[in-house]
Amino acid sequence: DVQLVQSGAEVKKPGESLKISCKGSGYGFSTYWIGWVRQTPGKGLEWMGGMYPADSDTRYSPSFQGQVTISADKSINTAYLQWTSLKASDSAIYYCVRGTGSSHHAFHNWGQGTPVTVSS
Amino acid sequence: EIVLTQSPGTLSLSPGERATLSCGASQSVSYNYLAWYQQKSGQAPRLLIYGAVHRANGVPDRLSGSGSGTDFTLTISRLEPEDFAVYYCHQYAASPWTFGQGTKVEIK
Repeated sequence: DVQLVQSGAEVKKPGESLKISCKGSGYGFSTYWIGWVRQTPGKGLEWMGGMYPADSDTRYSPSFQGQVTISADKSINTAYLQWTSLKASDSAIYYCVRGTGSSHHAFHNWGQGTPVTVSS
Repeated sequence: EIVLTQSPGTLSLSPGERATLSCGASQSVSYNYLAWYQQKSGQAPRLLIYGAVHRANGVPDRLSGSGSGTDFTLTISRLEPEDFAVYYCHQYAASPWTFGQGTKVEIK
């Protein structure tokens, strides 16, 4: 069975850095797109971006370009989402999502979500 | 950016009834790259339909997707108790990929 297991909830202060993770299992990690979706009560579901681990091709939504970094470590089947300086508006639930081998794909599998709270 | 508008916002129905959920796109969705997800309270979304009409693994055949271009529909032929949830459409044709705001299907 395909599984995406995300790291646990985080509570941070504005200006702090953060890196959350998503470990994939049950499939060939390198040859499926893996990405991130943000969910907030105000804006709903938002696609942030994704990566094809085999060649590190990475795509970002313009809304998140420059605000976050998506990366992956193929050797341990793990994807990451990273911030260098958090803002209160980054408070949300973050889901990792698995696509297909195509650059256009629905999200066939979702992680359990990582709640992030940014507050002074 | 393709804006997806879902209607209605809330659908109040009884078990056994038919549910029809709509998703309208501000521009044509190429290759019908349109998906539907179900989300229950406190859970991650779950893929139901991709490519506008293809059921994902394990999705019962009482759920079906239809449509093309700018108008898409998710139909649940006979509502079961586990179908009461929030449903989202999602286009992955043009960056940035976008989601609709959701339709809540609640028990009448």
